[in-house]
Amino acid sequence: GAGVSQSPSNKVTEKGKDVELRCDPISGHTALYWYRQSLGQGLEFLIYFQGNSAPDKSGLPSDRFSAERTGGSVSTLTIQRTQQEDSAVYLCASSLDWWTLQETQYFGPGTRLLVL
Amino acid sequence: AQSVTQLGSHVSVSEGALVLLRCNYSSSVPPYLFWYVQYPNQGLQLLLKYTSAATLVKGINGFEAEFKKSETSFHLTKPSAHMSDAAEYFCAVSEPISSGSARQLTFGSGTQLTVLP
Repeated sequence: GAGVSQSPSNKVTEKGKDVELRCDPISGHTALYWYRQSLGQGLEFLIYFQGNSAPDKSGLPSDRFSAERTGGSVSTLTIQRTQQEDSAVYLCASSLDWWTLQETQYFGPGTRLLVL
Repeated sequence: AQSVTQLGSHVSVSEGALVLLRCNYSSSVPPYLFWYVQYPNQGLQLLLKYTSAATLVKGINGFEAEFKKSETSFHLTKPSAHMSDAAEYFCAVSEPISSGSARQLTFGSGTQLTVLP
């Protein structure tokens, strides 16, 4: 079956511009996660959606970052006024449910963001 | 608070040799532990996971890992390395921050495995 998909695969933008990154989770998965992978910081959790509940935004690095999930499916991560330190690979993952700790998270291929 | 330490950012082995990638964790509650592999320009793929059942966990591609509570370790092994095993490997831990909170993964810094012919 189809896995987690992300678009675009690569994005180059100028400092100060806004960007939107999209994630399509596996159909039927109620939990959705965003992570960031950068050279200096490794893999970091950003935000987590669980069903229809309010998201856990505890990992977002600044108020320039926001995310939404429409209809319990597709999610969009928005970065406003991008900075060079935002350059990273943004990974999306989904899992079947959110209440089971051992539930496997399935990752998409990522969006590689470069801020010039 | 939970954390994961992967000893050795780069490991090189000869084809056919034993692969040993080290992972130690710290967690205030019994954790769940995972190993993921990442091939160049791809996302993360689950190799195996420990979920408090058997302490020796077998995964895909001939990998296995043993959970040792006394050592707070979850090292990844494979008896015989193959060229196709060359990739970056991440150990991760999951535990609740508080009741009902996120189940996000906390990752180690990764180990790049090189397999020499």
